[in-house]
Amino acid sequence: GQNIDQPTEMTATEGAIVQINCTYQTSGFNGLFWYQQHAGEAPTFLSYNVLDGLEEKGRFSSFLSRSKGYSYLLLKELQMKDSASYLCAVRDPSSGSARQLTFGSGTQLTVLP
Amino acid sequence: GAGVSQSPRYKVAKRGQDVALRCDPISGHVSLFWYQQALGQGPEFLTYFQNEAQLDKSGLPSDRFFAERPEGSVSTLKIQRTQQEDSAVYLCASSLDRGKTEAFFGQGTRLTVV
Repeated sequence: GQNIDQPTEMTATEGAIVQINCTYQTSGFNGLFWYQQHAGEAPTFLSYNVLDGLEEKGRFSSFLSRSKGYSYLLLKELQMKDSASYLCAVRDPSSGSARQLTFGSGTQLTVLP
Repeated sequence: GAGVSQSPRYKVAKRGQDVALRCDPISGHVSLFWYQQALGQGPEFLTYFQNEAQLDKSGLPSDRFFAERPEGSVSTLKIQRTQQEDSAVYLCASSLDRGKTEAFFGQGTRLTVV
């Protein structure tokens, strides 16, 4: 089976740093993705980790520990436009076509002024 | 086109009605996925195409759901005899079939069954 957990909601202040955690239990692992989704819009790709460690891309960083089944998304210098749902997703090669993503329920981030 | 395009954006159907949802993937993308997203939840996998071949339909919730991609580009998700529990956003995604292959999503079709 597959299980992906992330907090339902988080609140942070404009200009601050926020860390969104994701834990996963899957039969296999072939990459972890983070997506951002504003209300009523398409999920947009943020980051991809397949090896342990930190991937940095501008204000966004993503970390992966495969042995712990753990990832986090770090958002720095928060802006009001960062208010959105953040989706953690895992690709499990043992599932079906091995190409689909299994998503967590998403973390709704609210950035306050 | 520049991105994944889905139509219609919104669809209201009476219970028992058949609906067809269209997806135009990014040109050249081999893989195409359909997901269902309930309010406040993450997308859930429905089915996967590689070119015109439907390689995985394990996520389709019932035999009322049918998807096709006859020429390996545009795809249609059809739902027969819609039920209220079918109300959700239906997302289409496409990706290249190599490398990290992140999926690019369309804006979805919001289906409301009344």
